[in-house]
Amino acid sequence: EAGVAQSPRYKIIEKRQSVAFWCNPISGHATLYWYQQILGQGPKLLIQFQNNGVVDDSQLPKDRFSAERLKGVDSTLKIQPAKLEDSAVYLCASSLDPGGHEQYFGPGTRLTVT
Amino acid sequence: GESVGLHLPTLSVQEGDNSIINCAYSNSASDYFIWYKQESGKGPQFIIDIRSNMDKRQGQRVTVLLNKTVKHLSLQIAATQPGDSAVYFCAETGAWGSARQLTFGSGTQLTVLP
Repeated sequence: EAGVAQSPRYKIIEKRQSVAFWCNPISGHATLYWYQQILGQGPKLLIQFQNNGVVDDSQLPKDRFSAERLKGVDSTLKIQPAKLEDSAVYLCASSLDPGGHEQYFGPGTRLTVT
Repeated sequence: GESVGLHLPTLSVQEGDNSIINCAYSNSASDYFIWYKQESGKGPQFIIDIRSNMDKRQGQRVTVLLNKTVKHLSLQIAATQPGDSAVYFCAETGAWGSARQLTFGSGTQLTVLP
């Protein structure tokens, strides 16, 4: 079974620039999550999708972050404009169960904002 | 606010010894408690979970203990191996029917010494 795919793996941008991350979840997993993991901390949920609908985006900084999952499969997370404090690893995860705590994580995208 | 925390940020053990990683939580309404393992450069990987109505659950070389009286859970790894070196996160999730987002603690870095 193929795992969760993410790209790019690394990205370096200057502050005020834009960046987008892509995620392809495990086939058949209806629930998709985006997490932000700052160095030395645990992952923090940004947004959760059930198919192509948003279940929870309460911790997404909506003034600069946006995410979509148009066809209920792949998802993109965008930051526009980026700030220095956005430097982190952005993890995508998916689960079969809508309320699943057994989530399968991708390798993440390490973002550095200079 | 509700949180999940870990007692020690780092733990070193000799190869072959048993490891015990501890975690404290504050949300009495948590339904599941979950342990994840994160190796360097990778996303977190599900290890084992325990429901709030249980006090012990065993997996392959791992045991999770839950003490609801003192809001404490632990992960025990038997016969620790070099491949066990990683950051371990405890996480909790709310009652079924909610968005059931995972709330992660800050992690314990386990180092296995030869």
